Amino acid sequence: AQSVAQPEDQVNVAEGNPLTVKCTYSVSGNPYLFWYVQYPNRGLQFLLKYITGDNLVKGSYGFEAEFNKSQTSFHLKKPSALVSDSALYFCAVRDEGTGRRALTFGSGTRLQVQP
Amino acid sequence: DTGVSQDPRHKITKRGQNVTFRCDPISEHNRLYWYRQTLGQGPEFLTYFQNEAQLEKSRLLSDRFSAERPKGSFSTLEIQRTEQGDSAMYLCASSDEGQGAQPQHFGDGTRLSIL
Repeated sequence: AQSVAQPEDQVNVAEGNPLTVKCTYSVSGNPYLFWYVQYPNRGLQFLLKYITGDNLVKGSYGFEAEFNKSQTSFHLKKPSALVSDSALYFCAVRDEGTGRRALTFGSGTRLQVQP
Repeated sequence: DTGVSQDPRHKITKRGQNVTFRCDPISEHNRLYWYRQTLGQGPEFLTYFQNEAQLEKSRLLSDRFSAERPKGSFSTLEIQRTEQGDSAMYLCASSDEGQGAQPQHFGDGTRLSIL
C-alpha cells in the first residue's frame, strides 16, 4: 500500500523568509512524487514532480522540492515566501512498480505567509 | 488548452435523490480520474479511465456510484440514492501519459451538499 504523511497542519512564515513544507511517503517500489497547491474553492494546481534523476526538482512559481530516498521524504521549499503563496499544499505519491494510476494524497498543509 | 471543466460547480439536493456530474478533460488527454475531497482532507481516489475503459475502481466507489466515459472524451459520475456522507467536493483530473508519469491536471470540482 502507498501512503503519504504531512506532519504539519499549518506552517507560518514571514514574507521574504524561506519556507519548507514537509512530506514523507511509503511505497513498496519506486515512488513517483508530486506537489499540488489548492486555493479556496478551486481544484488542485500542479507544482512539480519527482520521477527519477536529480534529487532537487524545480517547479512553478519558484518552488522546488528535495527527494531523499533514505529518509523517504519529499519536502517542498521556496527561498523567499510571498503573501500570495498562502494556500493549501498537498503531497501525493504513486508507486511506479504497481502499474496503478491512482494518486494517494496527504492530508494537506496550510501555508500562511504574513506580510 | 482550456483546462479540465466540471459541471455543475455546486449541487444541492435532498437525501435520497440521484445526482450526475460531468467532466470534460483537456482535449488531448486520454486518461481521466475522479477523486472525492472532504473538508480538511486530501483528495481520495474513486476511479480511473483510459480512453473509454474503466481500469481502476476504489473501494470507496460503492454500488450507488457509477462512472462512464462512453466515447473516451467527457465523463459522468452518478450517485444514486444520495446520503449525508456523500457531501464532498468531487474532483476530476486528466493526464496524457504517452511517456512517463505525467501529472494529473484537476478541474475546479463539483461541490455536493446533501440536505
